[in-house]
Amino acid sequence: NAGVTQTPKFQVLKTGQSMTLQCAQDMNHNSMYWYRQDPGMGLRLIYYSASEGTTDKGEVPNGYNVSRLNKREFSLRLESAAPSQTSVYFCASSDIGEGYTFGSGTRLTVV
Amino acid sequence: SQQGEEDPQALSIQEGENATMNCSYKTSINNLQWYRQNSGRGLVHLILIRSNEREKHSGRLRVTLDTSKKSSSLLITASRAADTASYFCATDAGTGNQFYFGTGTSLTVIP
Repeated sequence: NAGVTQTPKFQVLKTGQSMTLQCAQDMNHNSMYWYRQDPGMGLRLIYYSASEGTTDKGEVPNGYNVSRLNKREFSLRLESAAPSQTSVYFCASSDIGEGYTFGSGTRLTVV
Repeated sequence: SQQGEEDPQALSIQEGENATMNCSYKTSINNLQWYRQNSGRGLVHLILIRSNEREKHSGRLRVTLDTSKKSSSLLITASRAADTASYFCATDAGTGNQFYFGTGTSLTVIP
């Protein structure tokens, strides 16, 4: 089915460990996004990529890096995980001026 | 913060009643979107309304936009138990492609 696929769905990390969250879309969208969702905080934009080859910081980029590997794939990396990064992470894609299509999320716990 | 704010935070109604949720935002926008999120799932796009539009319909959903008051409303008519979810507005703060989300309205429809 067409859409946005995120892996893994669940992850537990120890403080200081690193990991990469993967995201792929098959809708030929130009723009891709990473958000985090915390209770009572809504969704906050971490990084986005307006088109292949470009990335920009969002509201809460500290502690994260991203790579737009090609038009389909946009990965989010935590270099040294901290408990404050415990959250649900959502990837989304869109074309400019259109609604987002979201993935089903990655539930990350940092202990 | 550039995000919109939804009001009320929580709403409980009987099946068949109408549900109205409001969104206020701070900066000028190009587009405003509404999303639904069922518990434990990703967000689903409902409606996008552009700054030059005042009203938009999709099935039982009606969205209005008042740019002079920097506010929008989402009306769900003849609600069903399946409408139970959290509803978020998202504004682009004039960027056209980066959307900032509010903290959402939790809607419970009682059968």
